[in-house]
Amino acid sequence: QKEVEQDPGPLSVPEGAIVSLNCTYSNSAFQYFMWYRQYSRKGPELLMYTYSSGNKEDGRFTAQVDKSSKYISLFIRDSQPSDSATYLCAMSAGAGSYQLTFGKGTKLSVIP
Amino acid sequence: GAVVSQHPSRVICKSGTSVKIECRSLDFQATTMFWYRQFPKQSLMLMATSNEGSKATYEQGVEKDKFLINHASLTLSTLTVTSAHPEDSSFYICSASYAGRQPQHFGDGTRLSIL
Repeated sequence: QKEVEQDPGPLSVPEGAIVSLNCTYSNSAFQYFMWYRQYSRKGPELLMYTYSSGNKEDGRFTAQVDKSSKYISLFIRDSQPSDSATYLCAMSAGAGSYQLTFGKGTKLSVIP
Repeated sequence: GAVVSQHPSRVICKSGTSVKIECRSLDFQATTMFWYRQFPKQSLMLMATSNEGSKATYEQGVEKDKFLINHASLTLSTLTVTSAHPEDSSFYICSASYAGRQPQHFGDGTRLSIL
């Protein structure tokens, strides 16, 4: 079993839809959880960052972490064509000097 | 927000050439920087961890003599691909974190093509 599992998609939704992206993990030591958005031929851009369990909201984005289930989610409300990208979940057991473990990424297309 | 600058964004060169890629943290001091490699439609693969003032730590299977890393200051780490060959063609990305804390911030990557 891989440390982090993420459905690679592709996922296509109509503009305005609510998008749900998920990752599961097996390492109970993970305590820092991040979602990155990566456009084609660009580096990953930090979207959401959560420490330990709980929810975090930023504009149209909501991140949820359930450590008891080892499950994290990213919700995108009122999706826009500009949200079309690959979304990577990443997690770490320690602070910034600790390496990140990434999911494979989910490719999202928002159709106008 | 935090900005990590990576340069150059695109390199095309002949086989046997050495190529240097720079990663700079523009508005914070980065004691640790990471270097990744990404193949098409795949996730990021960690190559090495670069610590300011000390030797880099390489992941298993990454040749340290092939991929030279220097982290001489708190704002600059460099990756040099020595005697590059076509199989070294890839997308190389660096990341940095402020004062060793999460989260990490990424550069925009360098697309390396070896002919």
